[in-house]
Amino acid sequence: QKEVEQNSGPLSVPEGAIASLNCTYSDRVSQSFFWYRQYSGKSPELIMSIYSNGDKEDGRFTAQLNKASQYVSLLIRDSQPSDSATYLCAAPLGDKIIFGKGTRLHILP
Amino acid sequence: NAGVTQTPKFQVLKTGQSMTLQCAQDMNHNSMYWYRQDPGMGLRLIYYSASEGTTDKGEVPNGYNVSRLNKREFSLRLESAAPSQTSVYFCASSDWGQGSDTQYFGPGTRLTVL
Repeated sequence: QKEVEQNSGPLSVPEGAIASLNCTYSDRVSQSFFWYRQYSGKSPELIMSIYSNGDKEDGRFTAQLNKASQYVSLLIRDSQPSDSATYLCAAPLGDKIIFGKGTRLHILP
Repeated sequence: NAGVTQTPKFQVLKTGQSMTLQCAQDMNHNSMYWYRQDPGMGLRLIYYSASEGTTDKGEVPNGYNVSRLNKREFSLRLESAAPSQTSVYFCASSDWGQGSDTQYFGPGTRLTVL
């Protein structure tokens, strides 16, 4: 198993609905997780980080961590066309950060 | 604050040519990274430098060399470019392990090797 795995998508979600992005991870990574958003042709930017089991909310974004099942999710409520981007899950492995391949999200107007 | 800067933004090389990609950060971060991004492959770590004076290989180091010139600057060199090195290259910096979890990325260098 790769350290961090994501479904590449694309994931199509109607505007106003909830978008759910998932990421699974291996035992090798540290128990801190990051979600980055990357618009086409741009560099990634951090939008959420989560360290503890459970949910963490920031505006329309909620990160969920389930250590027992080794997955981390990002929920986007009230999806907007501006949320259309690639979302990258990342986790530390030693002194470096490892990224998943990313999930392309497309919000349908 | 400029954050992380990279030069050049675009480059076209012929097979066998060499070049150096430059990266600098003004956030006083200890760690710096070079990634390449190819369609469907996500971000793959080429080399990283956890602190000034140290460098380590990442997932895909073959064909590349790096230099951590000082705390601010981390360069990536292609000695003999190959078409397989056509990619978008991102430099990043962070203070991971020193209390900050954010990795900041530069704008990227789009490299084409013919």
